[in-house]
Amino acid sequence: AQSVTQLDSHVSVSEGTPVLLRCNYSSSYSPSLFWYVQHPNKGLQLLLKYTSAATLVKGINGFEAEFKKSETSFHLTKPSAHMSDAAEYFCVVSDLKGKLIFGQGTTLQVKP
Amino acid sequence: DAGITQSPRHKVTETGTPVTLRCHQTENHRYMYWYRQDPGHGLRLIHYSYGVKDTDKGEVSDGYSVSRSKTEDFLLTLESATSSQTSVYFCAISDAAFRRFMDEQFFGPGTRLTVL
Repeated sequence: AQSVTQLDSHVSVSEGTPVLLRCNYSSSYSPSLFWYVQHPNKGLQLLLKYTSAATLVKGINGFEAEFKKSETSFHLTKPSAHMSDAAEYFCVVSDLKGKLIFGQGTTLQVKP
Repeated sequence: DAGITQSPRHKVTETGTPVTLRCHQTENHRYMYWYRQDPGHGLRLIHYSYGVKDTDKGEVSDGYSVSRSKTEDFLLTLESATSSQTSVYFCAISDAAFRRFMDEQFFGPGTRLTVL
């Protein structure tokens, strides 16, 4: 069965510093992986997705993630955090039937 | 943004009453999903639909039923609401044809339900 583990429930960074949100996955086949973002009291928005093409995936708002099969990881990064990046981030894996399995979420705090 | 609306956006109800939440889409997407979001659990799938009148259970389906009589509408019913069903409910849609697991889902704004 597929699963994802987000290694940090809460990450705090200063504005202008790099962001790293960690995600490990478990899958019996080559997975499709996604990162979604949820701003307070809002729905979820897709940041980026990996579907077995390039291992380095670029998303919206300067975010990117690298698929590392040997480490079963799909960490999300951004070179320089903005205040508007403060939100909850979900790492997600898709099963072969298209159902999404969500991680528990990581809350990103950005300090001025 | 994908055209997905949910109604109502907020609801307070009492234990034991039936509740119906509506998801409406204007994208003509084939697949529709209902999730609940609770702290520490991310989102969990309740039910999903892969076409009109075609539905299946997700991982937390007990106490919920769904119906889809039209492509654009997907209804979630709590047959007899309980306090454990207090949550935020999200509808999602997707339109993957052949390689469904590769395509993202688009989410509605959510419905906050409180069961007293």
